Amino acid sequence: EPEVTQTPSHQVTQMGQEVILRCVPISNHLYFYWYRQILGQKVEFLVSFYNNEISEKSEIFDDQFSVERPDGSNFTLKIRSTKLEDSAMYFCASNRVSNQPQHFGDGTRLSIL
Amino acid sequence: QKEVEQNSGPLSVPEGAIASLNCTYSDRGSQSFFWYRQYSGKSPELIMFIYSNGDKEDGRFTAQLNKASQYVSLLIRDSQPSDSATYLCAVNSGNTPLVFGKGTRLSVIA
Repeated sequence: EPEVTQTPSHQVTQMGQEVILRCVPISNHLYFYWYRQILGQKVEFLVSFYNNEISEKSEIFDDQFSVERPDGSNFTLKIRSTKLEDSAMYFCASNRVSNQPQHFGDGTRLSIL
Repeated sequence: QKEVEQNSGPLSVPEGAIASLNCTYSDRGSQSFFWYRQYSGKSPELIMFIYSNGDKEDGRFTAQLNKASQYVSLLIRDSQPSDSATYLCAVNSGNTPLVFGKGTRLSVIA
C-alpha cells in the first residue's frame, strides 16, 4: 500500500540553526499538509499546500516557516531560525481529494538544543 | 475557534469487552469526521471515517455520528491488548485542515 515517507526520522539541531524536513507524499495525491505535535499535546495544523501554493496556514506558521515542492515528488518544511519551542514531532500528510482522509507519514522528531 | 473535545482517559476495559470512545465538536459546519489511532511515539493511523449521520461499521470498529448533537463516537468490539493506544478524533469541513482532539488513552487489560 502506498505510504507517505518522511526523512529524517530524528533531527537534532542547535537553537538558531535552519532545518529542512522532507516528505514524499503518496504519488497520486494532490493536497499536502504539515502538522506538529508537541510532546503530550494535541496534533496541530501548520500549513496546507495545493497546486504549488499555500492554501491555508495557521497562526503557528509564521515567517520562520516555509514550504516548498521543489520537484514532482518532494514536499519540504523549512524552519529558518529554530527555537527551543519548535521541538516537536512534525507530521506530513496527504490526500487525493481535500475532504478524503489524510494519510500521515511516520513523522520527524525535531529536537532543538 | 473550532474545538474538538475528548475525555483524556485512561479508559480501561477488559480484553473482549466493548470500548466506547466519545468526541464532541464545536463547528456546526463540520462535514467529515475521522478516528485515528496513535501508539506512543508514532504517527496517527486512520481507523475510521464517517460523513453521514448514523452508524458505519468496519470489522470490529463502528463509528457513530450525530450531527444534531455534534457528537461522534467509536466503538471497538472484542477489544484486544493490541488496541491499547491513544484514539484521536479529528474533524474538518470540506477542504479545511483537520482539527484534532487531545485524544483518549485506551488500555485493554488482558
